[in-house]
Amino acid sequence: GDSVTQMEGPVTLSEEAFLTINCTYTATGYPSLFWYVQYPGEGLQLLLKATKADDKGSNKGFEATYRKETTSFHLEKGSVQVSDSAVYFCALNAGGTSYGKLTFGQGTILTVHP
Amino acid sequence: SQTIHQWPATLVQPVGSPLSLECTVEGTSNPNLYWYRQAAGRGLQLLFYSVGIGQISSEVPQNLSASRPQDRQFILSSKKLLLSDSGFYLCAWSGQSHYEQYFGPGTRLTVT
Repeated sequence: GDSVTQMEGPVTLSEEAFLTINCTYTATGYPSLFWYVQYPGEGLQLLLKATKADDKGSNKGFEATYRKETTSFHLEKGSVQVSDSAVYFCALNAGGTSYGKLTFGQGTILTVHP
Repeated sequence: SQTIHQWPATLVQPVGSPLSLECTVEGTSNPNLYWYRQAAGRGLQLLFYSVGIGQISSEVPQNLSASRPQDRQFILSSKKLLLSDSGFYLCAWSGQSHYEQYFGPGTRLTVT
């Protein structure tokens, strides 16, 4: 079946450091890929997405590139801020008859210190 | 623009009591609707999804049920809560032709 694996974390960084959160997936066909962010006590917010191979999703300084050859969708940001502290989820949608269902990774906690 | 509402925001209920959580979506029609449970602030478990009024699919057999009485209303229910039903419940919607989902603010349920 479909699955998403992301680095366990937690990840602790100083402000202005470079961020990478790894995400790899297993899916049949050509899934769409997503990164969601969850701030404490809130629902998930869509951060960025990519729908086909080599697409780069970007938003708020975050980027991720859909790499079909390595089945990866790593999240990066060049300079993190304290306000980026949150839980980050990688997810895929396999399309077809999945009715839009998402398969999520377990989430990675990011803490950014001043 | 589309918005999604959930209520209540927090709920404390005794074991054996009934449950009703409500989710409504504004600004779109005929959305796909989803209920998730999140334990310990981490992984999400899909509980139910619906592609139309009265159409409910269950992902995991359990103590909960879902209903969709109107196009943009999705309700999560239980007749008798268990301690293990505690968690953070999230409702989400997606369009018919787009696969990204948009989440509500969630309901924190504590069963005592």
